[in-house]
Amino acid sequence: NAGVTQTPKFQVLKTGQSMTLQCAQDMNHNSMYWYRQDPGMGLRLIYYSASEGTTDKGEVPNGYNVSRLNKREFSLRLESAAPSQTSVYFCASSHNYNEQFFGPGTRLTVL
Amino acid sequence: KQEVTQIPAALSVPEGENLVLNCSFTDSAIYNLQWFRQDPGKGLTSLLLIQSSQREQTSGRLNASLDKSSGRSTLYIAASQPGDSATYLCAVRVVMIKAAGNKLTFGGGTRVLVKP
Repeated sequence: NAGVTQTPKFQVLKTGQSMTLQCAQDMNHNSMYWYRQDPGMGLRLIYYSASEGTTDKGEVPNGYNVSRLNKREFSLRLESAAPSQTSVYFCASSHNYNEQFFGPGTRLTVL
Repeated sequence: KQEVTQIPAALSVPEGENLVLNCSFTDSAIYNLQWFRQDPGKGLTSLLLIQSSQREQTSGRLNASLDKSSGRSTLYIAASQPGDSATYLCAVRVVMIKAAGNKLTFGGGTRVLVKP
């Protein structure tokens, strides 16, 4: 089992460009999450999806949109990237309220 | 609002010494608590999950305790090795009011260096 996979691993964008971060899990988990990790700010929840077809905002949702494509996949979209969105993005999944498993992360730089 | 604190932010110990990592949280109404390890430039690896009804959880050289009433969890790593050098994060799961939603609130982490 691959666990949680994320693509791409690295990305550089110019201000105003858009992109989608992809996440997939093969553990048959119903819940999936997107976090960002910034120095001094720790890990913060952007959006989560408790089940296929549902999404909810986390602590820092502004500037992002998500899509729960199916049970396996949960994507994060930046419509118009800003330098403040430079960060490391992590996807995670869990079965209900149980242990969360994280992907390897996407390092995003917005110039 | 739940706040999670890990002190100290960094710790250096000689190889073989036992590691004691602290995590404190402000709201004792938690569902469970999870400890993670993060190596530089990598993702988070889950180490232990303690349910709110449990007092401790063990895995190999790792032992985590939970005291909900005082808002504390401690991760013990016995006989530390240089390979244990990493950042250790604790996270508290708060069950949101909306059905089936839940979120983790993370501490800032403790960066550990085990010297050979």
